[in-house]
Amino acid sequence: EVQLVESGGGLVQPGGSLRLSCVASGLTAGVNFMTWVRQAPGKGLEWVSLLYHGGTTYYADSVKGRFTISSDDSETTLFLQMSRLRPEDTATYYCTRGRYGDSVHWGRGTLVTVSS
Amino acid sequence: NFILTQPHSVSESPGKTVTISCTRSSGRISANYVQWYQQRPGSAPTTVIYEDNERPSGVPDRFSGSFDRSSNSASLTISGLRTEDEADYYCQSYDGSKWVFGGGTKLTVL
Repeated sequence: EVQLVESGGGLVQPGGSLRLSCVASGLTAGVNFMTWVRQAPGKGLEWVSLLYHGGTTYYADSVKGRFTISSDDSETTLFLQMSRLRPEDTATYYCTRGRYGDSVHWGRGTLVTVSS
Repeated sequence: NFILTQPHSVSESPGKTVTISCTRSSGRISANYVQWYQQRPGSAPTTVIYEDNERPSGVPDRFSGSFDRSSNSASLTISGLRTEDEADYYCQSYDGSKWVFGGGTKLTVL
């Protein structure tokens, strides 16, 4: 069974930084892509960032230049370094991972609140 | 860039069949795989359809995915509706460099 567990969320002031982590078990080899997706309170899903196996990364325009996606060498842990945080970044952040020909797996999320 | 448009809400009775559409604004809907995610209140999303019409293990065959090329739409069909199917449903596709989500459809089973 695939399990993804996010951590690192919390309350941070505008302009501050946070580093989110997502630890995977059950699907640690052969992953093709990993992403971060967020959901503001009462809103829909919003894609944040994408990391392909091999290292290519992409970002939503709303976070480009402020967020950095990365993983450890084993691709077991996914990270999201968030800086210059804004109130509009307040959301639950979910990680996902998957392989071609297989389902997309989701974590349970971690809440980030940006407020003074 | 394209957007995916879903109806804001749909409702149907238990035991009936409901179809949720997801219309792509530009480019062929079949150009990139479409996924469908279910999100029950207070829970994380889960995948109910991946790569257009594949079901993850554990998802009942009451859930199916399809295309309507004439309307450039993907559809999620749920047959034999149950109260536990009441949830928000999101379609998602990509263009290689970004994921695109539909706005979500709230399914009410009443």
